[in-house]
Amino acid sequence: ETGVTQSPTHLIKTRGQQVTLRCSSQSGHNTVSWYQQALGQGPQFIFQYYREEENGRGNFPPRFSGLQFPNYSSELNVNALELDDSALYLCASSALDGGPDTQYFGPGTRLTVL
Amino acid sequence: AQSVTQPDIHITVSEGASLELRCNYSYGATPYLFWYVQSPGQGLQLLLKYFSGDTLVQGIKGFEAEFKRSQSSFNLRKPSVHWSDAAEYFCAVGSRSNDYKLSFGAGTTVTVRA
Repeated sequence: ETGVTQSPTHLIKTRGQQVTLRCSSQSGHNTVSWYQQALGQGPQFIFQYYREEENGRGNFPPRFSGLQFPNYSSELNVNALELDDSALYLCASSALDGGPDTQYFGPGTRLTVL
Repeated sequence: AQSVTQPDIHITVSEGASLELRCNYSYGATPYLFWYVQSPGQGLQLLLKYFSGDTLVQGIKGFEAEFKRSQSSFNLRKPSVHWSDAAEYFCAVGSRSNDYKLSFGAGTTVTVRA
């Protein structure tokens, strides 16, 4: 069974640029959730995708957007990068089926905005 | 809105000693509770979870946690700590009314001294 994978591992961008982060979900999972973890803080929920549809969003501006593909992998896109976007971005996959699910996390992508 | 408080930012414990990490949540309905561990620069690994049933749950690496509804707590314990337990620990809560999205505490850093 393959776990959750994310790419790239590290990324450096400059303010105003755009970035795309990728996540491959665990086999058998239909849901991907994205979280932002700033240094020294707990993860903050960005949004969730369930069967290719957005299924809830946290308190993040519209320049944070996402996609989920038919194979349930997902992308997180961030436009007009700001310095405060520097963080570890985590994706988690789960098998949402009308009840509580268990989210399994990938290793994260470390984004640095200069 | 659901929220999670981890009162202890940093705990230092001697190897072989017991460990208890506190977690309090604020939510009216039935919470679904999780503990995750994060090593430096890594993603989150699930230690254990509580959905229903027995309020004392066993997890991996010798950890256990007890759900106490009357105290809105879900404290994590380990009887004898190993040096490899040094890491950051996060408590998280999900709920049906929030479509099971996770809210995380700020984390507790555990240092193990020889």
